[in-house]
Amino acid sequence: AQSVTQLDSHVSVSEGTPVLLRCNYSSSYSPSLFWYVQHPNKGLQLLLKYTSAATLVKGINGFEAEFKKSETSFHLTKPSAHMSDAAEYFCVVSDPVREYGNKLVFGAGTILRVKS
Amino acid sequence: DTAVSQTPKYLVTQMGNDKSIKCEQNLGHDTMYWYKQDSKKFLKIMFSYNNKELIINETVPNRFSPKSPDKAHLNLHINSLELGDSAVYFCASSQFLGERSWTEAFFGQGTRLTVV
Repeated sequence: AQSVTQLDSHVSVSEGTPVLLRCNYSSSYSPSLFWYVQHPNKGLQLLLKYTSAATLVKGINGFEAEFKKSETSFHLTKPSAHMSDAAEYFCVVSDPVREYGNKLVFGAGTILRVKS
Repeated sequence: DTAVSQTPKYLVTQMGNDKSIKCEQNLGHDTMYWYKQDSKKFLKIMFSYNNKELIINETVPNRFSPKSPDKAHLNLHINSLELGDSAVYFCASSQFLGERSWTEAFFGQGTRLTVV
């Protein structure tokens, strides 16, 4: 089965400084990986996805993630944090458990706090 | 135009009652899901449907019964509600691409269920 581990439960940065949210995955084959963001009391919004094309993936709102097979990592970065980035971020791997049967396996989440 | 919509957004009910949550997607996807987010914000799949057929049932109590009248709808009925059922329930959809591959999932805004 596929799994993901988010290495930090909380990350705090100052506005204008870089963001790094770390995610490691475990997969028996080439995975599909995603980052989702959840603002307080809101639904889940896709930030970006990796599906075996380019290893550096660009997403919305200036976020990027790099797929590193040798390190089994898919870390999320942003060069300059904005106050509106404060939210919870989930690293997710797709786990196709059977024909026509897929499930998204979520990490435990990382709460990003942005200080002014 | 909302891609995945759930109703109601909030649901407060007493123990022992029966309640339903409705979900509709207008993306033309063939796969729909129910996820449960617990009080620690951990997200776990409950059910996955493909073309109205139940494909994944992730050891959910029998009190939970999903129903998919057509590809665009997936409802969740819960009998004899218990305190532990309090959570946020998310509906989602994606499209099967073949060869154990799916598009990214689009999520509804969630239904916050509180059992008192």
